[in-house]
Amino acid sequence: NAGVTQTPKFRILKIGQSMTLQCAQDMNHNYMYWYRQDPGMGLKLIYYSVGAGITDKGEVPNGYNVSRSTTEDFPLRLELAAPSQTSVYFCASSYSESNEKLFFGSGTQLSVL
Amino acid sequence: AQTVTQSQPEMSVQEAETVTLSCTYDTSESDYYLFWYKQPPSRQMILVIRQEAYKQQNATENRFSVNFQKAAKSFSLKISDSQLGDAAMYFCAYRRGSGGSNYKLTFGKGTLLTVNP
Repeated sequence: NAGVTQTPKFRILKIGQSMTLQCAQDMNHNYMYWYRQDPGMGLKLIYYSVGAGITDKGEVPNGYNVSRSTTEDFPLRLELAAPSQTSVYFCASSYSESNEKLFFGSGTQLSVL
Repeated sequence: AQTVTQSQPEMSVQEAETVTLSCTYDTSESDYYLFWYKQPPSRQMILVIRQEAYKQQNATENRFSVNFQKAAKSFSLKISDSQLGDAAMYFCAYRRGSGGSNYKLTFGKGTLLTVNP
């Protein structure tokens, strides 16, 4: 069982560069999420999706974009990277709206220098 | 807005002993869920236990149990017979039970648990 797969695991960007964090799940989950985790803090929701073609903003969406063209994939796009986006990014998925069993990927450590 | 507070940045326990991690939350909702997640050094977030607010009985999962005090808005996690593999960051989290913005989990800042052999 692959579960939720995130790539890359680590990345260093220069200020102003762009990149896409990939996330894929093989559990046929409708609900997918992107969180960021800053040092010493809990997770904050960036964007979420309730199904293919449907996305919505979370708590901290500025500087990010997402798309959901298929049920399996939910990439997160960073445009014009800034040092404030240095963080660990987690993708997660759940089967239903009552997302008690959230399946997380192993995270992407991103540094913007 | 809902808030989740974990007042213990770090805790330590001897192997085989019991430790309790504290969590308080603030909400005006009556229908909600509470969770404890474990994040080991691998960074994977793992659901440890969940509690529905409408249930009076405290949730239990093997060596993990909670003390849910709804009136006090307290949700502590007890780990019995602590094992070295329990060493991790533990996050308390809250989610509304109904209405809009169901998808948003509100997390505390975490408690780093060290297990000493």
